[in-house]
Amino acid sequence: GAGVSQTPSNKVTEKGKYVELRCDPISGHTALYWYRQSLGQGPEFLIYFQGTGAADDSGLPNDRFFAVRPEGSVSTLKIQRTERGDSAVYLCASSLEGRYNEQFFGPGTRLTVL
Amino acid sequence: DQQVKQNSPSLSVQEGRISILNCDYTNSMFDYFLWYKKYPAEGPTFLISISSIKDKNEDGRFTVFLNKSAKHLSLHIVPSQPGDSAVYFCAATGSNDYKLSFGAGTTVTVRA
Repeated sequence: GAGVSQTPSNKVTEKGKYVELRCDPISGHTALYWYRQSLGQGPEFLIYFQGTGAADDSGLPNDRFFAVRPEGSVSTLKIQRTERGDSAVYLCASSLEGRYNEQFFGPGTRLTVL
Repeated sequence: DQQVKQNSPSLSVQEGRISILNCDYTNSMFDYFLWYKKYPAEGPTFLISISSIKDKNEDGRFTVFLNKSAKHLSLHIVPSQPGDSAVYFCAATGSNDYKLSFGAGTTVTVRA
């Protein structure tokens, strides 16, 4: 597809379970970003990848959160021992290298932790 | 700490009239500002932006005004159309910074 895609679109899980959220960036975009949007708030930065490496993971809330991008394209956000407070929409964005002001967002994954 | 604030959670406007959305920021390092539009079940899409070297940028029906001394920007939509009904996010960033800082959003409803 032409845009950023994210799967699944919705994920319902139970407290304590492990989840993986996937992001397929726009082809050719080397920069990839994850944001989290909680209810009633704007998106908040989680992590930024340039290529395969996480250049900045300062926005990850704690060590239960981890993200990878092994081949510099698809990225997976992993959440261990989910908590109810993790419920949010997780947004992925991508851009060309250095074009930080031109981030294209995917539709997001709505995560609900029961 | 919320560095970008949109103090009006919602706005209702009649079709054909002007919509004015406001945004305030606190970080003086911000020098680039963006507005995103979001429909339900979709990701935010870029609408218009402005650099701190300008005080106005216009694109069709959309105009963004920046007042650096007041750390305030606004988005004007003229004339408002039913398809403009969406959530609008104000975002800000600094030079060569990859993090976007977003406001909480303003839900615009355009009444026929």
